[in-house]
Amino acid sequence: GEQVEQLPSILRVQEGSSASINCSYEDSASNYFPWYKQEPGENPKLIIDIRSNMERKQIQELIVLLDKKAKRFSLHITDTQPGDSAMYFCAAREGGSAKLIFGEGTKLTVSS
Amino acid sequence: EAAVTQSPRSKVAVTGGKVTLSCHQTNNHDYMYWYRQDTGHGLRLIHYSYVADSTEKGDIPDGYKASRPSQENFSLILELASLSQTAVYFCASSEQGYAEQFFGPGTRLTVL
Repeated sequence: GEQVEQLPSILRVQEGSSASINCSYEDSASNYFPWYKQEPGENPKLIIDIRSNMERKQIQELIVLLDKKAKRFSLHITDTQPGDSAMYFCAAREGGSAKLIFGEGTKLTVSS
Repeated sequence: EAAVTQSPRSKVAVTGGKVTLSCHQTNNHDYMYWYRQDTGHGLRLIHYSYVADSTEKGDIPDGYKASRPSQENFSLILELASLSQTAVYFCASSEQGYAEQFFGPGTRLTVL
């Protein structure tokens, strides 16, 4: 089955700088890649996603890049704010399936 | 906005006891999912369903059963709870298998 590796597990940045999280997957048939943000004690919430027919997607300060050839996708948060501090999870949907496979998460801390 | 509710929000169970976690959605979504999250880790799919009266195994189904009596309701059953099943359990729903998943608030289960 699909496996998703997410790095780094811990990321600390200064307010106003950029943060990048990288994920890789194994199943070349995977076609949907969402990113979720989870704050302590809360449920995961979708912040941005990208489908396999795209290479780049941006929503305000969030940028997602997808390299299908390398089977990698990444989240870039520009101009980080303390409110961006949270756990971030990438996921990949198995081709032909409703199953999402999640990475282990990245704990982002933005210090002011 | 999507509404997924879970009950109970927290539960303490004894080893060997039966536990039932309930999920209710008012989104009119066809797909529902059960995930478990261990502290500091990603989400793992236990069971999912795309139609009432039918369930499918996820990646970690052993020790769990699921029931989908109606489109709105999806239950997770632990017939013989074990210490290793201590975790936070999230229910989610999506309109289709390839669509955004909306998560409930989670149930914190502690097995003693």
